[in-house]
Amino acid sequence: AQSVAQPEDQVNVAEGNPLTVKCTYSVSGNPYLFWYVQYPNRGLQFLLKYITGDNLVKGSYGFEAEFNKSQTSFHLKKPSALVSDSALYFCAVRDSNAGNNRKLIWGLGTSLAVNP
Amino acid sequence: NAGVTQTPKFQVLKTGQSMTLQCAQDMNHEYMSWYRQDPGMGLRLIHYSVGAGITDQGEVPNGYNVSRSTTEDFPLRLLSAAPSQTSVYFCASSTGLAGSRDTQYFGPGTRLTVL
Repeated sequence: AQSVAQPEDQVNVAEGNPLTVKCTYSVSGNPYLFWYVQYPNRGLQFLLKYITGDNLVKGSYGFEAEFNKSQTSFHLKKPSALVSDSALYFCAVRDSNAGNNRKLIWGLGTSLAVNP
Repeated sequence: NAGVTQTPKFQVLKTGQSMTLQCAQDMNHEYMSWYRQDPGMGLRLIHYSVGAGITDQGEVPNGYNVSRSTTEDFPLRLLSAAPSQTSVYFCASSTGLAGSRDTQYFGPGTRLTVL
């Protein structure tokens, strides 16, 4: 069965420090992986995705994520955190070999707090 | 482009009342979805549509109906509201193109309270 886990409910980091938000997944075939961000009282916004190709994916607002097939992970990273990065981050996965089952599986979200 | 719009932003219902949450997109997207977001539960798919006239159930469809008569609109109907349906509801759309299908554009959400 497909699943995705975000092992940390909350991540705290000081402004200017690097940040990492973790995501691991389980699919039977090849994964399509996504990161979305939700600012307070807003809908989700797409950040980046991995479909195929280079394992390091760059996205919006200076974020990047690295696909690691052996560790079944897709951690979100940013070299220098900003207070404005404080938000709820969601990882999602879909099995590229799932046939007609094209539904995304969502993690429970990780709340990122960047302290000034 | 307005993107994905949802109305109303807030709604309070009494148990047993019915209502329709509106969702519209102006990007000519084939795929549209309804999610509910509850604390500790993440996003759960209620219903989705792969094109006008075609809808299907998601994870938590009970108590909700949808229809898709046009590409632009995808209303969600609560048939008889229950307190368990208190949640934030998000509509999302995406293209049907392979590789882009899962890049979803979300509306701002409707915060529903059922008393």
